[in-house]
Order: sequence, then structure tokens, then C-alpha cells
Amino acid sequence: GENVEQHPSTLSVQEGDSAVIKCTYSDSASNYFPWYKQELGKRPQLIIDIRSNVGEKKDQRIAVTLNKTAKHFSLHITETQPEDSAVYFCAANPHGGATNKLIFGTGTLLAVQP
Amino acid sequence: KAGVTQTPRYLIKTRGQQVTLSCSPISGHRSVSWYQQTPGQGLQFLFEYFSETQRNKGNFPGRFSGRQFSNSRSEMNVSTLELGDSALYLCASSFGGASYVYGYTFGSGTRLTVV
Repeated sequence: GENVEQHPSTLSVQEGDSAVIKCTYSDSASNYFPWYKQELGKRPQLIIDIRSNVGEKKDQRIAVTLNKTAKHFSLHITETQPEDSAVYFCAANPHGGATNKLIFGTGTLLAVQP
Repeated sequence: KAGVTQTPRYLIKTRGQQVTLSCSPISGHRSVSWYQQTPGQGLQFLFEYFSETQRNKGNFPGRFSGRQFSNSRSEMNVSTLELGDSALYLCASSFGGASYVYGYTFGSGTRLTVV
């Protein structure tokens, strides 16, 4: 079936530390893996994405890694800042993009303590 | 450029009524997807429309329906509202090309409260 598992559900770090959020997907046909950040009362916003032909992608303090064999992908945030505090969602597209449907993980509440 | 526009932002309805929500995608985007977001269930996929055709549907009862117009604007309708339908309804638009997800952007959502 179509499923994306996300861990941990909550994560508290000190400012300046790194944060890692992990996701596992079930559909081997998935080829697109975005990460969204949602601040309280706001829309989910895309922060980084990765496609199945790439193993790692980095954008300043944010990086995503993908292991297709294990069906795992992870979000890495370095040098965390208080403004990184939000809920983060991973997602995957079932059916290999035959439609634009995304299946989302249950979210990780990241709290960065100043 | 304009983002994804959802109207209205807030709605309060009574149980048993019906409601229609609207989503205007980013110019050039032909795919519109709808999601229900609740604290307990996260983001649940409702359906996706592309070129006026429903391309995929999630596991929701038939009370939830939608459509897409020739200008790519989409509406979703919920009939016979139940208390459990209270949620944030988000739409997302994208270019919609087959086998390639690109430009997936969410609107601000419609907060529906059923009393």
C-alpha cells in the first residue's frame, strides 16, 4: 500500500545543534521526495526536495539524503536557529508520478531552544 | 507572481449543511490536489484534478467531491456535514506533467468548523 512513516514525532534541540528527521516510504515506484515546513497557522512550504536519480542534495543549512534500496530518506538541518522551530513533513509520490498525489508523513514538531 | 488562492479562509457551518471551497492555482499550473489536515490525522489526500479530470482519489466518503474548470480553478464540495469534517482544507497546485512532480505549492487553506 501507500504509506510514509516519519520519526521522531517531536524533536527538541539546542540552538546551533543539528537536527535529523527520518522517513520511510513503501511504494518502490516513488521518485519524488519533498520536505515541507509548516509554521503555526501557516501553509506548508517546500524547503527542499530530492528525486530518485540523486542520493543527496544540499541547500545552505539543509540537506536531504535518499537511500532507494532501503526506501529511506532523511532531512538534516545544521546550525539550527530558533526560526527553524516548526512542524516538518516528508512526502513521497506513489505510482512514480503518474499523478501529482503526495502521501505525507505524520509530521515532526521541531523545537529549537535558544 | 500570484500564489495559490483559497477562498474563503474561514467557514462555520452547521451539521447537515453542505459547503463549497474554491482554489485558484498558480498561473500555468494544470494540476490541483486537495488535502484535509487535522491534528490527529495529519495531511490526508482527498483528490487530484488535471485538465478537468479527476486523476486520483483518496479514501474519503462520497460526501466529498470536487471538480475542475477549464481555467484550472477547482472547487471541492462536502455534503451533509459532520462534526468530524472540521479541519483545515488545503489545496496544492503544480504543473501536473505525467511522471514529473514540479512546482507543488500549497494555498493558505480554508478552516472549516462544523457545529
